[in-house]
Amino acid sequence: AQTVTQSQPEMSVQEAETVTLSCTYDTSESDYYLFWYKQPPSRQMILVIRQEAYKQQNATENRFSVNFQKAAKSFSLKISDSQLGDAAMYFCAYRTSYLGGSQGNLIFGKGTKLSVKP
Amino acid sequence: NAGVTQTPKFRVLKTGQSMTLLCAQDMNHEYMYWYRQDPGMGLRLIHYSVGEGTTAKGEVPDGYNVSRLKKQNFLLGLESAAPSQTSVYFCASSKQGVRETQYFGPGTRLLVL
Repeated sequence: AQTVTQSQPEMSVQEAETVTLSCTYDTSESDYYLFWYKQPPSRQMILVIRQEAYKQQNATENRFSVNFQKAAKSFSLKISDSQLGDAAMYFCAYRTSYLGGSQGNLIFGKGTKLSVKP
Repeated sequence: NAGVTQTPKFRVLKTGQSMTLLCAQDMNHEYMYWYRQDPGMGLRLIHYSVGEGTTAKGEVPDGYNVSRLKKQNFLLGLESAAPSQTSVYFCASSKQGVRETQYFGPGTRLLVL
C-alpha cells in the first residue's frame, strides 16, 4: 500500500522569504500523481500544484514550485516570496494512475502547519 | 457555478442518533468521494462512487453508508453515531479517470457526544 510522510509538523517563514515543505512517499508503482493541497483556517481544501510522475520537469504555479525526485520518492514544495495569506496547513497527497481499487482516491500525509511572520 | 457544496456545515449529535450528510456538485462529475479528517491526520477515504447508482468502500467505511441515486448528489449516512465519528467530513468530486483533479467541498464538522 502507498504511504505519504510529511516529517515537519510545523514550519515558520518570514514574510517575503522562501520556505520548503518536505514530503516523501512509498509506492511500487511507476506512474502516479502527486499533489500539494492548502487548507486555510476556513478548512477549504485548495489545490496548489500537481505533478505527473512520468514528467521529468518540475511543476510550477506562480510562487509555488516543486522539487520532484522520483528515485528518492521525494516531492517537496517551495513557496517563494511568502505572503501572510500563505499561512495554512499544507497536505501532500498521492494518487495512483491505475484504474481499479479505489478509482484514484487521494492518499494524504498528516500535513505541515505553515506560519508566516510579518 | 457553486462547485461542490455540503450540507450541513456543523452538527451536534448524541450517541446512537442517525443523520445524513449531503454532498452536491454542479460540475457533471462522474466520481465522488467522502473523506474524514481527524486532528493531526490527513484525510482518509470512507466511501466513493464512480457513477450514479454505484458505491464502494474506501479505507475507513465501518459505521457509514452511502447512496448515489442522482449523479450530482452523494449522501453519507450514519445509522447510529458514535463519539469516534466526531470528525470533519469532506466531499470531493472529479471527472472520470484517475488523471483528473479532485475538487473539495467546504467540509462538515460533526460532533458526537
